[in-house]
Amino acid sequence: AQTVTQSQPEMSVQEAETVTLSCTYDTSESDYYLFWYKQPPSRQMILVIRQEAYKQQNATENRFSVNFQKAAKSFSLKISDSQLGDAAMYFCAYRRRGEYGNKLVFGAGTILRVKS
Amino acid sequence: DAGITQSPRHKVTETGTPVTLRCHQTENHRYMYWYRQDPGHGLRLIHYSYGVKDTDKGEVSDGYSVSRSKTEDFLLTLESATSSQTSVYFCAISPNNYGYTFGSGTRLTVV
Repeated sequence: AQTVTQSQPEMSVQEAETVTLSCTYDTSESDYYLFWYKQPPSRQMILVIRQEAYKQQNATENRFSVNFQKAAKSFSLKISDSQLGDAAMYFCAYRRRGEYGNKLVFGAGTILRVKS
Repeated sequence: DAGITQSPRHKVTETGTPVTLRCHQTENHRYMYWYRQDPGHGLRLIHYSYGVKDTDKGEVSDGYSVSRSKTEDFLLTLESATSSQTSVYFCAISPNNYGYTFGSGTRLTVV
């Protein structure tokens, strides 16, 4: 079974600085997707960024980028120029590629606090 | 985004009572999921459905049942609620192979 591990229960960052959230996963599959979801206090689950395992290039979405190391099964999220609105719980998730029904497997989450 | 709504948004119930949470989607997607969110565990899959009357268990299905009599509705039932089922429950749909669209969640408290 696939597992996703987020080893940092909480992280803090000063506004305008950069922070990196860690995620490792375990799978025997070669073709899959990895995701970072943001959950603000409103409880809404917001997709931040997605990485296809077959792509070597790291995904980037504005201030958010990932460092995808397939051999090491590592998928970290870098947030640049942190803003107060980035404060939230962040979940790393894995999904095997294939049918739409493939299930998302989540890590335990990392709470990110942003200091002004 | 696909329309997905959960009801109720909050609920407090007593131990031993039955509880049903509803998930409704407006875009006819085949796959629907129920997750629970707990501190230190992230989101864990309870049950999922791959069509009308087609459902299967996830990793934390004990104490829960589901039904899907129409494509748009996926119901989660706690037959006899226990304090360990106090949690936030999320419904999700799978509109593509990239990710899920989530409902806004139900906070359930069992006292």
